[in-house]
Amino acid sequence: QKEVEQNSGPLSVPEGAIASLNCTYSDRGSQSFFWYRQYSGKSPELIMFIYSNGDKEDGRFTAQLNKASQYVSLLIRDSQPSDSATYLCAVLTDSWGKLQFGSGTQVVVTP
Amino acid sequence: GAVVSQHPSWVICKSGTSVKIECRSLDFQATTMFWYRQFPKQSLMLMATSNEGSKATYEQGVEKDKFLINHASLTLSTLTVTSAHPEDSSFYICSARDQAGGYNQPQHFGDGTRLSIL
Repeated sequence: QKEVEQNSGPLSVPEGAIASLNCTYSDRGSQSFFWYRQYSGKSPELIMFIYSNGDKEDGRFTAQLNKASQYVSLLIRDSQPSDSATYLCAVLTDSWGKLQFGSGTQVVVTP
Repeated sequence: GAVVSQHPSWVICKSGTSVKIECRSLDFQATTMFWYRQFPKQSLMLMATSNEGSKATYEQGVEKDKFLINHASLTLSTLTVTSAHPEDSSFYICSARDQAGGYNQPQHFGDGTRLSIL
């Protein structure tokens, strides 16, 4: 059983600080990784994807991938109250695009 | 780009009614669409993978006769909850992948359908 694990939180972050979210996965052969944000009562929305080891930056978001250690992380810089949401880590599991999701990390940004 | 439209947003109906939910990819073609269910404060649960022109693949424990999935075109998949009962009340979400661009394409989600069975 392929597993994707995240700390459920809540992760409390002061406004303006950096939020750091971690995700580990069990399948060493995994190649593609995604971060989704889900506001309460809403559907997930794609924030970033990363395929190669290292960092990938998009605005205030940075995804980091380390395949040797089997973890992927998401940094949110200059956190805003609007960043308060659950962040889902997902790993691509087959050629049809099926994803294995973690249970999500709840982030609460306090003013 | 990569917009997925899901309709309806809300459904309230009586027990025993069948409910159809539509999922459309508006600006791309989706060979594969996915249907999820999410109960309050719980994780996304994949129900089935829908491939255009073929039968859906259901996850273990999901009743295929209860949740009918049709994927007749590259832009439309439907989920029909047959003879719905209160325990089927949930948040149903579809997603789709753009078939162009290869293996690594992400899933894009619709806005979801909140189903309440009285």
